Amino acid sequence: SQQGEEDPQALSIQEGENATMNCSYKTSINNLQWYRQNSGRGLVHLILIRSNEREKHSGRLRVTLDTSKKSSSLLITASRAADTASYFCATGGGSNYKLTFGKGTLLTVNP
Amino acid sequence: GAVVSQHPSRVICKSGTSVKIECRSLDFQATTMFWYRQFPKKSLMLMATSNEGSKATYEQGVEKDKFLINHASLTLSTLTVTSAHPEDSSFYICSARAPGTGNYGYTFGSGTRLTVV
Repeated sequence: SQQGEEDPQALSIQEGENATMNCSYKTSINNLQWYRQNSGRGLVHLILIRSNEREKHSGRLRVTLDTSKKSSSLLITASRAADTASYFCATGGGSNYKLTFGKGTLLTVNP
Repeated sequence: GAVVSQHPSRVICKSGTSVKIECRSLDFQATTMFWYRQFPKKSLMLMATSNEGSKATYEQGVEKDKFLINHASLTLSTLTVTSAHPEDSSFYICSARAPGTGNYGYTFGSGTRLTVV
């Protein structure tokens, strides 16, 4: 079953604006990952945040994790048209290392 | 970095036939590979976990006789959709985990668009 739930399901912004996507989950986690998927393509790993971390940065990406609220957010700053894609959060940590994906946010960045 | 090659990227087959999808880890050995199915504008649904040298572990509701998985080597896992029906049309994605990387070393293939006519 899908554990992560992203919101919004779809987000449309103008180039240069910031985009924030949220993810909630239900069970305890060891880490949470964010992935990007261009239309009709595979997934690309963006960033991983461990359960003992609260915030992490990578380039224009900023991820936060609040384990007390079982939620995470992904912020993309100064968005570009090339950032248009679907973004998924994923949780894992079981002994079989399975990832469980959320439903995703479709981000459209208009030039 | 780790690369996973998935082939073919697109395939069209007739109802009743079988189609095989390959997932190869190009520069690392993958003890575990995962097969996902994705419906349009939906998330990824894990179908099965493929372990080298042993039987695949299927998720609840996934027919093992319909979706045959073989992981004969540390670099290759195959998914065969047998007796395909139009409802099997979907986007299938594999991912591979390099040994010793815990939850940090997942690499995904580029996916296969299967259309059954």
